Amino acid sequence: DAGVTQSPTHLIKTRGQHVTLRCSPISGHKSVSWYQQVLGQGPQFIFQYYEKEERGRGNFPDRFSARQFPNYSSELNVNALLLGDSALYLCASSFNDQGVETQYFGPGTRLLVL
Amino acid sequence: AQTVTQSQPEMSVQEAETVTLSCTYDTSESDYYLFWYKQPPSRQMILVIRQEAYKQQNATENRFSVNFQKAAKSFSLKISDSQLGDAAMYFCAYRSAYSGAGSYQLTFGKGTKLSVIP
Repeated sequence: DAGVTQSPTHLIKTRGQHVTLRCSPISGHKSVSWYQQVLGQGPQFIFQYYEKEERGRGNFPDRFSARQFPNYSSELNVNALLLGDSALYLCASSFNDQGVETQYFGPGTRLLVL
Repeated sequence: AQTVTQSQPEMSVQEAETVTLSCTYDTSESDYYLFWYKQPPSRQMILVIRQEAYKQQNATENRFSVNFQKAAKSFSLKISDSQLGDAAMYFCAYRSAYSGAGSYQLTFGKGTKLSVIP
């Protein structure tokens, strides 16, 4: 079975620009989460979507937004990019495994803001 | 808010030996889940093992096992018979078992970089 896929793998943007990152979950998974991982740190939660509805939001500014589509794929959008947005953006899809919702991660998108 | 602490930024182990990675967490909740994830240099985060807080028995997955001490809020990972492919960043993560806002996110520690010496 295919795992979580993300595109693009790498991206270079300049300050003030906008970026869209994409994620396709594992087949059968209805929930998608987004995390930001700054170099040398653990991932920080940004959003979770379930059945196209936002189920959770982390402590990120309104410049960050996301949505989930009917096929459960998801997009993360970041407006007005700042240098500090440079990070690895991870997508995870999840399903209920023996009563425990377990998250499985994609390879990430490396974003560099210049 | 829950916090996860990994006090060992780096660890090393000889191939075929055993190593234990430490994790402590802070929570006021009684029901939750704990996870260990592995992130090799290729960067894909892989689930290693998980533990439900209501279970007293420590989880095991082949060469990986945990020592879950609920009262001490400790959740260490033991890797037996270490292999070169075990070299990676290891992250401990917490998730609430309660429904509602904020309950579905994983809270991660800062990670421990494990090196395996041939």
